[in-house]
Amino acid sequence: AQSVTQLGSHVSVSEGALVLLRCNYSSSVPPYLFWYVQYPNQGLQLLLKYTSAATLVKGINGFEAEFKKSETSFHLTKPSAHMSDAAEYFCAVSDLAQGGSEKLVFGKGTKLTVNP
Amino acid sequence: EAQVTQNPRYLITVTGKKLTVTCSQNMNHEYMSWYRQDPGLGLRQIYYSMNVEVTDKGDVPEGYKVSRKEKRNFPLILESPSPNQTSLYFCASRPVAGAKEQYFGPGTRLTVT
Repeated sequence: AQSVTQLGSHVSVSEGALVLLRCNYSSSVPPYLFWYVQYPNQGLQLLLKYTSAATLVKGINGFEAEFKKSETSFHLTKPSAHMSDAAEYFCAVSDLAQGGSEKLVFGKGTKLTVNP
Repeated sequence: EAQVTQNPRYLITVTGKKLTVTCSQNMNHEYMSWYRQDPGLGLRQIYYSMNVEVTDKGDVPEGYKVSRKEKRNFPLILESPSPNQTSLYFCASRPVAGAKEQYFGPGTRLTVT
């Protein structure tokens, strides 16, 4: 079964600084990978997804992630943080559920704080 | 607008009082799923459904029931809620084919006293 590890439950950056949120997954077989964002009191919104078409994936709001098979990583980055980026971010990987269907396995989340 | 809706958004109830949280999607998705979100644990799958009348357990199904009588609806039923089911619940859907990303509802915050 797949697992996802997000390093750092809380990350704090200054406005304008680089955002780096780390995600490692467990499988050696390249899966589907996703980053979701959750703003306060809202549901989860898809930021970007990796589906094996390209290793560098661009998403919404200036975020991107790079798939590195050798490191089993899918870290999320943004060159310059904005106050509106403050939210919780979840990395997820597709996995096979009981019965053969696929499901999403989520990391525990990283709460991003952006300081003025 | 393509969306997943959940009702109610907030619910406070007492131990043992049966409740249902509704979920509906208008995207004609075959696959629907329920998750609970708890601090420090991320999202964990409760139940999922591949299509009408086809449901299966996720990682944390104890204390929950679901049904899928129509493609668009996937209600979550707590027949005898307990305080450890206090949580934030999300419904999600996706097409069976494709890249597997799921579309989430706005969440239901449940408190069981």
